[in-house]
Amino acid sequence: DGGITQSPKYLFRKEGQNVTLSCEQNLNHDAMYWYRQDPGQGLRLIYYSQIVNDFQKGDIAEGYSVSREKKESFPLTVTSAQKNPTAFYLCASSWRPGLVYEQYFGPGTRLTVT
Amino acid sequence: AQTVTQSQPEMSVQEAETVTLSCTYDTSESNYYLFWYKQPPSRQMILVIRQEAYKQQNATENRFSVNFQKAAKSFSLKISDSQLGDTAMYFCAFMIGGSQGNLIFGKGTKLSVKP
Repeated sequence: DGGITQSPKYLFRKEGQNVTLSCEQNLNHDAMYWYRQDPGQGLRLIYYSQIVNDFQKGDIAEGYSVSREKKESFPLTVTSAQKNPTAFYLCASSWRPGLVYEQYFGPGTRLTVT
Repeated sequence: AQTVTQSQPEMSVQEAETVTLSCTYDTSESNYYLFWYKQPPSRQMILVIRQEAYKQQNATENRFSVNFQKAAKSFSLKISDSQLGDTAMYFCAFMIGGSQGNLIFGKGTKLSVKP
């Protein structure tokens, strides 16, 4: 079945540690996105990528980094510089940027940093 | 900058009844798209319906329909014959046409369907 997978579902880390969240899609989508969701808030865009080896900052990129070495994969690293990393993280993908295609979302990763 | 506002943090409806969720947006763009996403307790985001700004006809998808008022910048979602499975957070979202596909989300409305 085609879809987006995010792993793990729950992730716990100590403060000061970097952590990488996985996002894989087998939909052959060109564009991929990372969103952060906090209680009582909508989703906010962290980073996005339109093609392999290229990505752009979203609205809240500080303290995060990404890579796009393969079309299928768009991992997100939450660095120790992120002041409030505890949140729910959602990855999404769509066919092509510049044209309006629906974004399909993964199941999300709940990150807790203590 | 574009903004999306959902003024109802929580709503409830009886099973089989109809409910309308409100959304307003602010933009100076003329080419844009609007979406409603559903996030059930599983937290999986699911697209419910989309509307192209250039279309006058309101979009419908089975029990879900929208009331798109372009001049008023309003985009409400009507759910008919509410079912228990409709219990979820509902997010209104906006995208500029021809953009890099970035969605701008409202803060959501928590809908509870009661038996």
